[in-house]
Amino acid sequence: EDKVVQSPLSLVVHEGDTVTLNCSYEVTNFRSLLWYKQEKKAPTFLFMLTSSGIEKKSGRLSSILDKKELFSILNITATQTGDSAIYLCAVEATKLVFGAGTILRVKS
Amino acid sequence: DTGVSQNPRHKITKRGQNVTFRCDPISEHNRLYWYRQTLGQGPEFLTYFQNEAQLEKSRLLSDRFSAERPKGSFSTLEIQRTEQGDSAMYLCASSPEGIKAFFGQGTRLTVV
Repeated sequence: EDKVVQSPLSLVVHEGDTVTLNCSYEVTNFRSLLWYKQEKKAPTFLFMLTSSGIEKKSGRLSSILDKKELFSILNITATQTGDSAIYLCAVEATKLVFGAGTILRVKS
Repeated sequence: DTGVSQNPRHKITKRGQNVTFRCDPISEHNRLYWYRQTLGQGPEFLTYFQNEAQLEKSRLLSDRFSAERPKGSFSTLEIQRTEQGDSAMYLCASSPEGIKAFFGQGTRLTVV
């Protein structure tokens, strides 16, 4: 069965810190890996990754995929309190499967 | 505004009652997903449709849950004989196949 595992499950940092969130997966018919940010309501899209080694970047957030080792990381530099959220990793295979998420809390 | 619409936004029901939720996906998105999410957890897959065909249903899903997508447009999720453990956020998402999914705002179900 398709599986997506995220670590850590939760994380507390101080403003200005850099964080790295991990996502590993075991799926058949991999198509893409997606990162979402969820605050109080619906998840909002951050990145979609399909190729190994190509970094996607948006402001202080960046992500990269390793299809050989079957994992991805999401980096957030110079964290702010507004980065506090659940970060979800999902893999599009035969269906879209989510990990349990990483709860990030940024303290001021 | 993601374009995926879910109704109702909130539902409080008594244990044992049936409830039905509706999801209107983004037009022309052929894939539609239903997920259930409890506090502090990631979305748990329930079922998904490719057009009007229900392609997969979670093995963890009770027979009390059923979903339809007539004509490949909107979808409904029905829960019969609700239990307190059904209390959760029910999320709907749609996507063109192989492209990122867009989520609705969810329906929060509380079973009392």
